[in-house]
Amino acid sequence: GDQVEQSPSALSLHEGTGSALRCNFTTTMRAVQWFQQNSRGSLINLFYLASGTKENGRLKSTFNSKESYSTLHIRDAQLEDSGTYFCAARKGGNYKYVFGAGTRLKVIA
Amino acid sequence: NSKVIQTPRYLVKGQGQKAKMRCIPEKGHPVVFWYQQNKNNEFKFLINFQNQEVLQQIDMTEKRFSAECPSNSPCSLEIQSSEAGDSALYLCASSPPGQGGSDYTFGSGTRLLVI
Repeated sequence: GDQVEQSPSALSLHEGTGSALRCNFTTTMRAVQWFQQNSRGSLINLFYLASGTKENGRLKSTFNSKESYSTLHIRDAQLEDSGTYFCAARKGGNYKYVFGAGTRLKVIA
Repeated sequence: NSKVIQTPRYLVKGQGQKAKMRCIPEKGHPVVFWYQQNKNNEFKFLINFQNQEVLQQIDMTEKRFSAECPSNSPCSLEIQSSEAGDSALYLCASSPPGQGGSDYTFGSGTRLLVI
């Protein structure tokens, strides 16, 4: 079936540093969404992309449908960025999302 | 605060009992999805609706769950006979219609514990 390969599975960052998360797709996807799941389990929508790049504060995401990948860049990491980040991708509007396995991010002082 | 409202936040049931959870989608979103997230953080798609009609569902949902999205009432997902393996976070999401798609909005989830 359609798969989303997310990496890394876990990441530790010192405050003020940055890194990138990546999702590779085994089939052509039309859209990707990135979420942060907090300790209570709530999924917070970070980005929705059908193509290109979006930026919001210290976060930036890119989706390349042709090359079947998406990235989420975090810069100047803060303690509150800790949590699990998921990408999810789908083929069309009413199609189900396929989720990556998540990246557990820990930001340390 | 999410625009998708899920209740209850927590649910504890004994094995064999029914477990029912509800979801009010974001206003203007006719497409509703239910996912199960297990303790390993894996998401499993369960079922989706457009308005009151089921679009897709997996075998497990068809055999063991009852789900509906009536007009002017919350959507609901009910496990007919709970099993220990059903313990999970159940997430509801809604989105606008159309092939172009738009972003999902997720609710905060119902955390089910089957003892």
